[in-house]
Amino acid sequence: NAGVMQNPRHLVRRRGQEARLRCSPMKGHSHVYWYRQLPEEGLKFMVYLQKENIIDESGMPKERFSAEFPKEGPSILRIQQVVRGDSAAYFCASSPLKIALRGLDEQFFGPGTRLTVL
Amino acid sequence: QKEVEQDPGPLSVPEGAIVSLNCTYSNSAFQYFMWYRQYSRKGPELLMYTYSSGNKEDGRFTAQVDKSSKYISLFIRDSQPSDSATYLCAMSASSGAGSYQLTFGKGTKLSVIP
Repeated sequence: NAGVMQNPRHLVRRRGQEARLRCSPMKGHSHVYWYRQLPEEGLKFMVYLQKENIIDESGMPKERFSAEFPKEGPSILRIQQVVRGDSAAYFCASSPLKIALRGLDEQFFGPGTRLTVL
Repeated sequence: QKEVEQDPGPLSVPEGAIVSLNCTYSNSAFQYFMWYRQYSRKGPELLMYTYSSGNKEDGRFTAQVDKSSKYISLFIRDSQPSDSATYLCAMSASSGAGSYQLTFGKGTKLSVIP
């Protein structure tokens, strides 16, 4: 039973290039979340997606960042024209359909993609 | 003031010691309180969670929540070298957008010395 998969694990980009980060949720999970962990900071929520829908992107920077979760294939976090401040670890998490009685909708995290912008 | 405050450490203890990890928070809407463990270069892994106030025990781990003080703790008894990791507290509200947006502390790095 594979966990959440993220690739690449490490990504180096020069300023102005594009970064594409991929996330394959756990089997049977239909909810995907992206978090960013800046150096010396806690994980910060960026976006919540279901298949073909962005549910909440309130944590995403307004410019240069976009996310998608197509009907087929992994979720993609795309950062255009990267800057040094984008250097961080980007974590994807997934969860199954919420089971009302259980309460907490546990999010399972992937190993992260570490983005370095030169 | 940050929503969740957590002492980043590092914290170094001898094997067998009792470890106490703590977080404070400011948002009264938080109802779920979680502790994640993150090994180096890995993703966070849910260790325990509690709903509202009280204690919860799971083996060597005890999670405590005091909503009146907005203070949560994780205790590790008989600590082992394999417990060496970064421990993250996280919180969420019980409904609406706050229920899926986890708010994390910065994490406390723990080293258990054999």
